Formats: sequence, C-alpha cells, structure tokens
Amino acid sequence: QLVLTQSPSASASLGASVKLTCTLSSGHSNYGIAWHQQQPEKGPRYLMKLNIDGSHSKGDGIPDRFSGSSSGTERYLIISSLQSEDEADYYCQTWGTGMVVFGGGTKLTVL
Amino acid sequence: QVQLQESGPGLVKPSETLSLTCTVSGGSISSYYWSWIRQPPGKGLEWIGYMDYSGSSNYNPSLKSRVTISVDTSKNQFSLKLSSVTAADTAVYYCAREKWFDPWGQGTLVTVSS
Repeated sequence: QLVLTQSPSASASLGASVKLTCTLSSGHSNYGIAWHQQQPEKGPRYLMKLNIDGSHSKGDGIPDRFSGSSSGTERYLIISSLQSEDEADYYCQTWGTGMVVFGGGTKLTVL
Repeated sequence: QVQLQESGPGLVKPSETLSLTCTVSGGSISSYYWSWIRQPPGKGLEWIGYMDYSGSSNYNPSLKSRVTISVDTSKNQFSLKLSSVTAADTAVYYCAREKWFDPWGQGTLVTVSS
C-alpha cells in the first residue's frame, strides 16, 4: 500500500534554510510527488511537481527560494531565505492509476 | 491563467445530498483531469475523486459508494455529488485541476447539520 510519511512539525529561523521530507513507503521509489503549501486560514497552493530524478516544475509565481530534490524513497522540499509568510502547513501528495494519496502534512514554524 | 471557483450550498441536512459545482475560467475543461479534495476542520487533506473531460472517473474507495463527479463541457464546469451525508462530511471542499492539483480553487465550507 502506498503511504506518504511526513514529520508533523519543523522549525527554522528567519533567513535560514529548511528541508522538509516526504517519505514514500517501501517499494514505491518510482513515484513522483507534488508539494502544496497551506498558510493559516487559507486554501492550499500548488508549489511544485517533483520527479524521481529531482527535476521539478513549479507553479505560477512560486519564488526561486522554493526547490525540490529526490533520493530513493525520499522527496524533499527546500526553502531558502525563510520569510515569515513561509510559516504554513506543507503537504506532499502522489498519484497513480485510479488513486491519489496525501501525506499527513508538516507544520513549519519560522522562528 | 486558469482559475477555479467552487459554488454550492453552505449547509446540508444529514442524510441529504451535497452538491457542488466548480467553474473553470481562463482555460478549457476539455482536456486534463479535474479533481475534488476536502479538508475537515483542523484536519488534513482528503482526496475525493477525479474525472477526465470524457467522463472517465476514479474515486476514493472510502467514499466511492456515495460520490459522483460529472463534467459539463458546454459550461466549462464540473460537479460533485455526495449522498447520505453525515456530520463527518463537514469540511472545506476544494476543486483542482489535474491529479497534482495545479491550481486549487479557493474552497467552500460545507456544514452538515439539521
């Protein structure tokens, strides 16, 4: 069964960088994912589609500070030069034939 | 750029059918997959289902017996029907394009209560 695992919380300082992780369940290293950001009291926003080779395609207006990478069953979202508005929930999700799966989300606190 | 907007009743009675419509602007609905997702208050995201413009659909197994997604290409809209609702179906409902949800609609809160 395909499962995406995310740490419930993460924190980093203003101006620093942070790397959020989304782990695919064993045997599913051939899946790409997408990352979404949900700021407090707002709807989700598509950040990027991340392929298994680490290449990614970002949504309209997503700053260059947001990037992604992949290694094995792990998919990463890297945010550099953290700003206060980056404090949000971050969800990974993947899809296959006839199904879509979400991770539980990571709440990012900017200190 | 394409934009999506959900519309429909904000309050539905238990055992009735929840009906929502998503209007697509800035692009044609006659390509891509079109999805519905929901988020109960204070909880994470749950995929409901998706359909392509030709009418081929796939649903979350946990909701499959109660869900129907349909598309109206003449109006550039697609719709969600969820039958026999209970309080557990109270959530913000989002529509989105494709299986990776680019972009999302702004969402609409639906409360199930008598």
